[in-house]
Amino acid sequence: EAQVTQNPRYLITVTGKKLTVTCSQNMNHEYMSWYRQDPGLGLRQIYYSMNVEVTDKGDVPEGYKVSRKEKRNFPLILESPSPNQTSLYFCASSLKVGRVYNEQFFGPGTRLTVL
Amino acid sequence: AQTVTQSQPEMSVQEAETVTLSCTYDTSENNYYLFWYKQPPSRQMILVIRQEAYKQQNATENRFSVNFQKAAKSFSLKISDSQLGDTAMYFCAFMKSSSGYSTLTFGKGTMLLVSP
Repeated sequence: EAQVTQNPRYLITVTGKKLTVTCSQNMNHEYMSWYRQDPGLGLRQIYYSMNVEVTDKGDVPEGYKVSRKEKRNFPLILESPSPNQTSLYFCASSLKVGRVYNEQFFGPGTRLTVL
Repeated sequence: AQTVTQSQPEMSVQEAETVTLSCTYDTSENNYYLFWYKQPPSRQMILVIRQEAYKQQNATENRFSVNFQKAAKSFSLKISDSQLGDTAMYFCAFMKSSSGYSTLTFGKGTMLLVSP
């Protein structure tokens, strides 16, 4: 089944304890992205990647890191989480057709709480 | 920069009726895509419908259709014969279609409640 998977789905942690949220897609998509969703704000992009070893900042990158060493994986790293990073996180991917990227497919989301 | 505005934070409709969700956007681009995503209580983001800006014909997917007014920068979603399973948060989203660009800009969402 074609899908985007995220792990863990739920995580409660404490301020300053490094964590990684994994994202993997099995559709051979070039483009991958991380969003966070907060009440009243919709979804905002954190980081994105056009392809392996190519990443760039989105609208709200502060406090986050990413890497793209393999095409299928795009982990989100919080080196020192803070309570304002409590949010619902989505990973998404899309396929490049010609020079244009198609619509994005989303993972199931990761609910992160930082105490 | 692009902006997407959904002016209705909440809407309600009765089962079998029709409801329209509003979305306006601001861009200087001529080529772009517009999307409606549905987020049910499971929180999964599900693509409902997609519209290419260069197409004059409004997109339709079963009970879901859009009214795309390019000059007015308006992109409303009509849900016909509403069902209880349509209860969800609906997000309008914009994406440039230029080469190498895939970032989605989302509106803040409209919560739709379908009641029996």
